[in-house]
Amino acid sequence: YELTQPPSVSVSPGQTASITCSGDKLGDKYVCWYQQKPGQSPVVVIYEDRKRPSGIPERFSGSNSGNTATLTISGTQAMDEADYYCQAWDSSTVVFGGGTKLTVL
Amino acid sequence: QVQLQESGPGLVKPSQTLSLTCTVSGGSMSSGSYYWSWIRQPAGKGLEWIGRIDTSGSTNYNPSLESRLTISVDTSKNQFSLKLSSVTAADTAVYYCARDRHSEGATTFDYWGQGTLVTVSS
Repeated sequence: YELTQPPSVSVSPGQTASITCSGDKLGDKYVCWYQQKPGQSPVVVIYEDRKRPSGIPERFSGSNSGNTATLTISGTQAMDEADYYCQAWDSSTVVFGGGTKLTVL
Repeated sequence: QVQLQESGPGLVKPSQTLSLTCTVSGGSMSSGSYYWSWIRQPAGKGLEWIGRIDTSGSTNYNPSLESRLTISVDTSKNQFSLKLSSVTAADTAVYYCARDRHSEGATTFDYWGQGTLVTVSS
């Protein structure tokens, strides 16, 4: 099973960033999103498609339907510049997307 | 607050076995229904799930690594371990351990170790 993400996404500060993750019938699975900044361990920002862990800002939201899951960051801030990975569970294995580098410029 | 810490050799020779241990603190591994996973990341590349174990010893492995992989758990020490045999340069990566909160088809890695770099080189 494969998850496909765009290698890079650019957004201006204060605008909305959308990062997609595609996979066959992905909407039938639960998707998580992780944020990873340089030299740091990943941090979960969305789990079970749309739930936010405590401490994650409300500007992070998620959706999942059909073959595509989307991470949306509203009012993007400079601190949101990072790599983002989607992840799902399929056939008793964990699958990660290839990652998307979000640039805030 | 749960904390995870990887430990083990930072340099392994080709064809030998890579061995790492993850020590869990801030709570018992046996509390709650969790799996305990290993994940790796080559420099400049994405995340790759290696495999996981629960405290009963039940495992799931990445099919691409399964033939070389053993994950074990020692609940008395609050540790779980990774052994990857017959390593090559392609196994050079930062290795993370993570807690895997799994339920009804949903897996979430909610706590991660800081990661440890393992280089395969003679």
